[in-house]
Amino acid sequence: AQKVTQAQTEISVVEKEDVTLDCVYETRDTTYYLFWYKQPPSGELVFLIRRNSFDEQNEISGRYSWNFQKSTSSFNFTITASQVVDSAVYFCALSEVYVRNTDKLIFGTGTRLQVFP
Amino acid sequence: EAGVAQSPRYKIIEKRQSVAFWCNPISGHATLYWYQQILGQGPKLLIQFQNNGVVDDSQLPKDRFSAERLKGVDSTLKIQPAKLEDSAVYLCASSLRATSGSGGSYEQYFGPGTRLTVT
Repeated sequence: AQKVTQAQTEISVVEKEDVTLDCVYETRDTTYYLFWYKQPPSGELVFLIRRNSFDEQNEISGRYSWNFQKSTSSFNFTITASQVVDSAVYFCALSEVYVRNTDKLIFGTGTRLQVFP
Repeated sequence: EAGVAQSPRYKIIEKRQSVAFWCNPISGHATLYWYQQILGQGPKLLIQFQNNGVVDDSQLPKDRFSAERLKGVDSTLKIQPAKLEDSAVYLCASSLRATSGSGGSYEQYFGPGTRLTVT
């Protein structure tokens, strides 16, 4: 069965600290996609990244980086030098598209990040 | 480029009443999704449309929820009659995914959501 686990319910850091948000997924499909979304207090989900299961290269975008490891079924997200504006709920999501013909997102329960000045 | 539009933003109703939500996707996006997000949880897909056809409605409580997407653009989600457990944020999203089984999963762009409170 497909499942996404974000074990960290809430993380608090002080500005400029680095923080890593964990994501572990379960799937029986060999081809799938992984996503991260940010949900600020306004409520709108903001797309951050999409990765194909065949591409295990780590990705860096500014202060954001992602570590994808198929061997441990993890897709972790690191924010370097956190800022107050990073405060939000972050969701990891899985899409199994090839077998079921739907690319619906299966979300984890989210990690609330609070960055204090 | 305009994003996904939803209305209303907030709605309070009593149980057993009916309610409808409206969504206008990003122009040119063939696929439209309705998700339900209960407080403290991640969103869960209710229904997915591709143009005006249903791709997946396996988690839609069909005894009380209905949705349509006329002309493959706007969509309406209805609840009738509402229950207390329907209190949630209803999120609409759209993507460029054009063909079911096209072999890809595209970024989904979300609207601001409708917060429903059933009392």
